Amino acid sequence: DSGVTQTPKHLITATGQRVTLRCSPRSGDLSVYWYQQSLDQGLQFLIQYYNGEERAKGNILERFSAQQFPDLHSELNLSSLELGDSALYFCASSEPRGGEAFFGQGTRLTVV
Amino acid sequence: AQSVAQPEDQVNVAEGNPLTVKCTYSVSGNPYLFWYVQYPNRGLQFLLKYITGDNLVKGSYGFEAEFNKSQTSFHLKKPSALVSDSALYFCAVRDGNTDKLIFGTGTRLQVFP
Repeated sequence: DSGVTQTPKHLITATGQRVTLRCSPRSGDLSVYWYQQSLDQGLQFLIQYYNGEERAKGNILERFSAQQFPDLHSELNLSSLELGDSALYFCASSEPRGGEAFFGQGTRLTVV
Repeated sequence: AQSVAQPEDQVNVAEGNPLTVKCTYSVSGNPYLFWYVQYPNRGLQFLLKYITGDNLVKGSYGFEAEFNKSQTSFHLKKPSALVSDSALYFCAVRDGNTDKLIFGTGTRLQVFP
């Protein structure tokens, strides 16, 4: 168990809908990262938050947004969903200026 | 920009034989390098890291990695492969400014009995 909790584990929704993925980082970790893993594109970095502030942005679509709350949990919001958004979404956390990041089990999103 | 490359999509090895999964990196400054493993329908599990110090890094499950600065490589190795080592392996480098991890494309390791 990495200590990073993601909910839900599975999500099936229709095109055009909006969903929210939730992540609770390891206790004490200030950084939260979101990654998307699809079959043909490997692990794509989406966005990073550090202690409530956005720190880095990757290839995140404008339809996607995220935030980190005062208790350090984070949410990734995906709207106007398309079939191509079907993927595994991972959250990870790390210590301040830490070494390795620890990953949650992921949320498998299926858009039908 | 920081990046890592995993030149092999798949590596096949017989159980009991040594295995190597290759990774090369491109960074400005000192590299912070990592290996992760992903089993089917699971998240990524940390195996080992190189920050500084000895070029041979030992990690979980009997894995080790050799940092080679002149060849800009960080290959993952194990002296004797197990069938249960079959999984997807990712090399990663940490971005020095933001701490985000930048991953390679992954290498699928198949260990045959």
